Amino acid sequence: QVQLVESGGGLVKPGGSLRLSCAASGFTFSDYYMSWIRQAPGKGLEWVSYISSSGSTIYYADSVKGRFTISRDNAKNSLYLQMNSLRAEDTAVYYCARHTVTNSDYWGQGTLVTVSS
Amino acid sequence: QSALTQPASVSGSPGQSITISCTGTSSDVGGYNYVSWYQQHPGKAPKLMIYDVSNRPSGVSNRFSGSKSGNTASLTISGLQAEDEADYYCSSYTSSSTRLYVFGTGTKVTVL
Repeated sequence: QVQLVESGGGLVKPGGSLRLSCAASGFTFSDYYMSWIRQAPGKGLEWVSYISSSGSTIYYADSVKGRFTISRDNAKNSLYLQMNSLRAEDTAVYYCARHTVTNSDYWGQGTLVTVSS
Repeated sequence: QSALTQPASVSGSPGQSITISCTGTSSDVGGYNYVSWYQQHPGKAPKLMIYDVSNRPSGVSNRFSGSKSGNTASLTISGLQAEDEADYYCSSYTSSSTRLYVFGTGTKVTVL
């Protein structure tokens, strides 16, 4: 069955960096686009970034553009999100999700990122 | 660019039907048949319930149905059950230059 397991979250100071990872299994990872989606405490969902199956096409939300970098390693069935210059408003649970053309059909359980001094 | 607009809360009694609306613009909901709906129970990851406006993934109850008219999409839950109590989010592809997908504001469904 499809499994997505995020890791790498934690407490970081404003201005700091963090790298999230998402380990995928149960499907042919290299066939699918992938996304990172986040949810601030008590708030709604916010799409963060998207990467094509080959990694050649990448999109970012304006709120993270220039600070976050999405990447993938198809040989390792893994998705990554490098987060730099973190701000308090980046505090959220970060989900990785398998992406079809029009939707995110499977989600991981999420990893919490807390940005605080 | 704003999120898609959903009612903050909707409630119903067991067995009743409820409908959640999701209002966007011609650049997202109205322009594409790429509306999805997600169910999220507290502390859990979202689950895809409807995709491409009205399609149900395998395993999702046929009590859940989706539709769209103009710039507004809707999710209907018929035969409401206790386990349907959750948050629901719509999402749409968008032609906005600043993002690829946009989520709704979310609706808390309460089963009375």
